[in-house]
Amino acid sequence: GAGVSQSPSNKVTEKGKDVELRCDPISGHTALYWYRQSLGQGLEFLIYFQGNSAPDKSGLPSDRFSAERTGGSVSTLTIQRTQQEDSAVYLCASSPAQNQPQHFGDGTRLSIL
Amino acid sequence: EDQVTQSPEALRLQEGESSSLNCSYTVSGLRGLFWYRQDPGKGPEFLFTLYSAGEEKEKERLKATLTKKESFLHITAPKPEDSATYLCAVRGGGSQGNLIFGKGTKLSVKP
Repeated sequence: GAGVSQSPSNKVTEKGKDVELRCDPISGHTALYWYRQSLGQGLEFLIYFQGNSAPDKSGLPSDRFSAERTGGSVSTLTIQRTQQEDSAVYLCASSPAQNQPQHFGDGTRLSIL
Repeated sequence: EDQVTQSPEALRLQEGESSSLNCSYTVSGLRGLFWYRQDPGKGPEFLFTLYSAGEEKEKERLKATLTKKESFLHITAPKPEDSATYLCAVRGGGSQGNLIFGKGTKLSVKP
């Protein structure tokens, strides 16, 4: 079946611009996660959505980062006023429930010039 | 603070040369240890979940084991297609669902 889909696969933008990254989770998965993977670093948790509960935003690095999940399915991660340190691969994952294994998309590679 | 350390950072093997990757963890109330495989330009691919000390899981040439402080990923008679970065992650009791990842071990298997 279809896996987690992320778009765009690559994004190059200028410092100071806003960007939106999209994630389509596996159908029926109630849990959705965003992570960031920087060169030489492990995956860093950003935000977690579970059903209709309030999201866990504890991993967001600054107030320039926000995310929403509409209709319990598609999610958008928005970064405002991008900085060079935001350059990374942004990965989305989904799971059938909170304690189930997470399945990842192939990520969006974000480059800030 | 929950923490995961993987070693070695990189490992080069000859085809057929068995070895093990280590994942040491510190977590409050382990609720699962996960192994993933990541190929260049791709997202992590789920391999195994382990929940309690003494548990073992196997898949083809891979076998994962768990103690109270660490996990090992044993690779038996590896092939070049096993070359990838292997990631270890834990979910702790204080987590609402997110995983804490190690930095990974990059495995290269030469023919």
